[in-house]
Amino acid sequence: DADVTQTPRNRITKTGKRIMLECSQTKGHDRMYWYRQDPGLGLRLIYYSFDVKDINKGEISDGYSVSRQAQAKFSLSLESAIPNQTALYFCATSDLAGTGMTDTQYFGPGTRLTVL
Amino acid sequence: DAKTTQPPSMDCAEGRAANLPCNHSTISGNEYVYWYRQIHSQGPQYIIHGLKNNETNEMASLIITEDRKSSTLILPHATLRDTAVYYCIDSANFGNEKLTFGTGTRLTIIP
Repeated sequence: DADVTQTPRNRITKTGKRIMLECSQTKGHDRMYWYRQDPGLGLRLIYYSFDVKDINKGEISDGYSVSRQAQAKFSLSLESAIPNQTALYFCATSDLAGTGMTDTQYFGPGTRLTVL
Repeated sequence: DAKTTQPPSMDCAEGRAANLPCNHSTISGNEYVYWYRQIHSQGPQYIIHGLKNNETNEMASLIITEDRKSSTLILPHATLRDTAVYYCIDSANFGNEKLTFGTGTRLTIIP
């Protein structure tokens, strides 16, 4: 979805390096998410943010940190990259609407990260 | 935790209807069923969602059983571009800390 962009699209780095993945959205959504996907596995949530002042850990947050610089921007950092963080990373946005638990998410194109 | 179960893979002939099942036996009364798909390493794409009534949009139809313990996503006239992994997610997986996609169904459309 062109409304959610991720940079870089591909990155190769070395163990121990600090890496930042960036996500921007023009959908005006309050909620943003970072997921990782490993070969043969589904997506797993790393961090999520329900608004600029709200940051929450997902199921696999160890080794990652995030920053919500503005409503439209949500960055994921790997402070000291390790090889098992090699994965496909997706950013998503959503805008909870209506009553109950309805929350359609819109995903970016992904960042392929390789840690050597 | 809310949990859905899907077959790991399915094939469908091009031009035929593709019917993808999902079991969500632990779904509670106010939770929705969502379907997404992911075409080879692209970002997942929203398809459809529903609560208890059947739903239809330009992409697909969603049939939910009366007891809401299972549903079927129907792609009425499958094309080669529908080859993807399809994820069924119940909405206990949204809006809280346990946002989880399963492994989905890999649908292959056969020419």
